[in-house]
Amino acid sequence: SYELTQPPSVSVSPGQTASITCSGDKLGNKYACWYQQKTGQSPVLVIYQDNKRPSGIPERFSGSNSGNTATLTISGTQAMDEADYYCQAWDSSSGAVFGTGTKVTVL
Amino acid sequence: EVQLVESGGGLVQPGRSLRLSCAASGVTFDDYAMHWVRQAPGKGLEWVSGISWNSGKVGSADSVKGRFTISRDNARKSLYLQMNSLRVEDTALYYCAKDKSESGYMSGWFDYWGQGTQVTVSS
Repeated sequence: SYELTQPPSVSVSPGQTASITCSGDKLGNKYACWYQQKTGQSPVLVIYQDNKRPSGIPERFSGSNSGNTATLTISGTQAMDEADYYCQAWDSSSGAVFGTGTKVTVL
Repeated sequence: EVQLVESGGGLVQPGRSLRLSCAASGVTFDDYAMHWVRQAPGKGLEWVSGISWNSGKVGSADSVKGRFTISRDNARKSLYLQMNSLRVEDTALYYCAKDKSESGYMSGWFDYWGQGTQVTVSS
């Protein structure tokens, strides 16, 4: 089955840039998306189709996907961005596959 | 505003069955594929099952194949998950999620989520 791997945690200072990676075999050949989940809340889609932002998502969220790695970048990170982030891709055999999740801490 | 409201969760013994429902509003329900996603306590997200707009295409995770069945009633704007032969490891918060693609088929991008319904499998 297809697997996506993320670092367990990322720390960032307010106003700095946070980068979260998501690794999977030939991930660049699939579309990746990213979800933000704050404690006790449902996930929110922040990036889809590698680099598109849904309506209402701030411009500081951006995405890229190439080779075996997709990356979510949060520029000018704010305290409100502290959350768990999950990458996700669609695999023809496995269906929707989520990454292992990354906890972003804004110090 | 799109709203998805799950119901039907609860405490159930291993081997028993449960049926989850998801009521949609604020959306042309039969234009979109729909999905169930679960999250075990303190764990990550796991896709459970998805269904196309007309029920013509369905897919499920290997962990639930042969035990869980997804279905929908477009007239009632409702999504269902029939869960049979439940196991302790099925304990999770089950979310209903709308697919973003306007094709009506599964893209795997979930743009609206419900608040979830808790399923606990324990003797």
